[in-house]
Parts: sequence; structure tokens; C-alpha cells
Amino acid sequence: DAGITQSPRHKVTETGTPVTLRCHQTENHRYMYWYRQDPGHGLRLIHYSYGVKDTDKGEVSDGYSVSRSKTEDFLLTLESATSSQTSVYFCAISDVLGTSGGSYNEQFFGPGTRLTVL
Amino acid sequence: GQSLEQPSEVTAVEGAIVQINCTYQTSGFYGLSWYQQHDGGAPTFLSYNALDGLEETGRFSSFLSRSDSYGYLLLQELQMKDSASYFCAVRSTNAGKSTFGDGTTLTVKP
Repeated sequence: DAGITQSPRHKVTETGTPVTLRCHQTENHRYMYWYRQDPGHGLRLIHYSYGVKDTDKGEVSDGYSVSRSKTEDFLLTLESATSSQTSVYFCAISDVLGTSGGSYNEQFFGPGTRLTVL
Repeated sequence: GQSLEQPSEVTAVEGAIVQINCTYQTSGFYGLSWYQQHDGGAPTFLSYNALDGLEETGRFSSFLSRSDSYGYLLLQELQMKDSASYFCAVRSTNAGKSTFGDGTTLTVKP
């Protein structure tokens, strides 16, 4: 299994408070991603990183910010949590590898963080 | 923008074969992936198609037709443990930025 951990695994917080979720990897993979997953839905990309200090927005980035100061850590911050941000958050990592069929991308997911905003 | 469509639910019996289809519309395309997710767990990678054709990995196969913006996941010799959600995902940039479908819940019955 890819060495990827998330902390905390569960968190309950109140509307308006700041929240930071941490993703840590030991695989030295270049790319890191934050997704949220809501019941009955797939994973929606919040932000991703393609290197230290290099990040970009995903499809649902409003209300979230990220930072990556080291290869192994990718932080997701909710500056002022709202009830609509109650969700399960997954971090993923990947590298792009070359194969005879073209470049290849497999994402390895962390165990997830269940966040409840009251 | 990106959009993917896959059936919400599929039911099959043990030992049978099931096909889960995925159609997509994207502004960029590098490949189509499939992931499996059991209840309460994290998604795990199953397969990736960058080129047209069939990729086989044990009981699972995945197919891609770029001209039709279509792919499918084929599961053979179904087992109870295959009951899970299956997601297709389009990789739209070289950095691996991916858009996921809403998932297909597969129920395998005895």
C-alpha cells in the first residue's frame, strides 16, 4: 500500500471556525490532490499540487485553500467552515509514469477524513 | 467543462459477467481510469486506458473508444466481494487532474 495518511480522521467543528486537514505521504510522489465526496456522488476535486509551492484549483475550490511547503505534506484549509462543507475528504497522490501505451496515472488514496460542520 | 455519465446501479448474480459503461465529455483527454470503492473505504485503482482497446487485469477488463468518448469496465466471474461502487474518471491534464463520475453501485447476489 502507498504510504499516505490523513489527519485527523474524524472532526466535528462549528460554523465559522477554521479547519486544517493534513495529508502526508512517504512515497515522494510529485502530484497530490484533495477531493471531497458527498453521499451518492463521486469525488470532486478541490485543489491539486504538481510540486512544492505549485498548486491549482479544482472544480469546487471556493471556500478552500491549500499549501504545500514540502513534498510530503499537502494541507487543506477551510478558512471559515460552513455546513455545506460537511463531507468526507480524501487526499490522493500520484506520479505520471511512461509506458509503451503512453503516460500512465494511478492515484493512491488516503483513508479519508470525515468532517462535520454544525 | 467535464462531465461523465455512468449508470447509478447494477445488479448481477455470483459467477456472472457485468459491464459498467461510462461516457464522457471533456475539454482535454489523457486517459480513462476505473476505481473501486467499498462502503466506508477509500477508492482503489483498478485500470487505466490511454489508448483505444481492451486492457485486461485478471477478472477485470477495461475498454476505451476515444472516437466515441466511451469506455466500459467488464467484471467476470463475479464474486460477493465485488459488491462495491465503481467510478470512471477522466484524466484531463498531464498533471493527472481528473474528473470522476458519480459512480455505479454494483450489487452481487448469491
